[in-house]
Amino acid sequence: DGGITQSPKYLFRKEGQNVTLSCEQNLNHDAMYWYRQDPGQGLRLIYYSQIVNDFQKGDIAEGYSVSREKKESFPLTVTSAQKNPTAFYLCASRPSQGPAPLTEAFFGQGTRLTVV
Amino acid sequence: GEDVEQSLFLSVREGDSSVINCTYTDSSSTYLYWYKQEPGAGLQLLTYIFSNMDMKQDQRLTVLLNKKDKHLSLRIADTQTGDSAIYFCAESPSGRRALTFGSGTRLQVQP
Repeated sequence: DGGITQSPKYLFRKEGQNVTLSCEQNLNHDAMYWYRQDPGQGLRLIYYSQIVNDFQKGDIAEGYSVSREKKESFPLTVTSAQKNPTAFYLCASRPSQGPAPLTEAFFGQGTRLTVV
Repeated sequence: GEDVEQSLFLSVREGDSSVINCTYTDSSSTYLYWYKQEPGAGLQLLTYIFSNMDMKQDQRLTVLLNKKDKHLSLRIADTQTGDSAIYFCAESPSGRRALTFGSGTRLQVQP
């Protein structure tokens, strides 16, 4: 079955450590996205990538980094510079690139990161 | 989600209709979307509406769009306990390659 896989589902990190969240898709989608979800605040865009080896900052990119070396993979690193990293992180992908209209975005099941 | 606003909570009884409202700010959005999120899970696309439409019906779901007021609503007929979830509206502003989401409305369905 095609889909988006995020791992791990739960992640604990000590303060001062970097941690990488995995996102893999086998839908052959060009575009991939990372969102952060906090209670009562909806989803905020961290980074997105329209094509391999290219990515753009979203609204809250500070303290995060990404790479897009393969079409299927878009890992997110939460660095020690991110002051409040505890949140639910969602990865998404969609099939087409280019100008609007956007087509359906498919979401992974999320990773809950907790800083201890 | 600061440009897309939703009320945070809605409680209905099983069998009643639910209406979830959303206001958005970018009139250039070509499509507007409704997503459903169940606890601890990702988002699932429920339905979407093209900006030149006023209404779209899909089984128990009815989407109404008022472009003049930039108001979007989702009506769920005969609401069931399985409809309990968080519902997000989202817009697709031109010039932006990602969706902008509202803060989500938590729907609680009481038996």
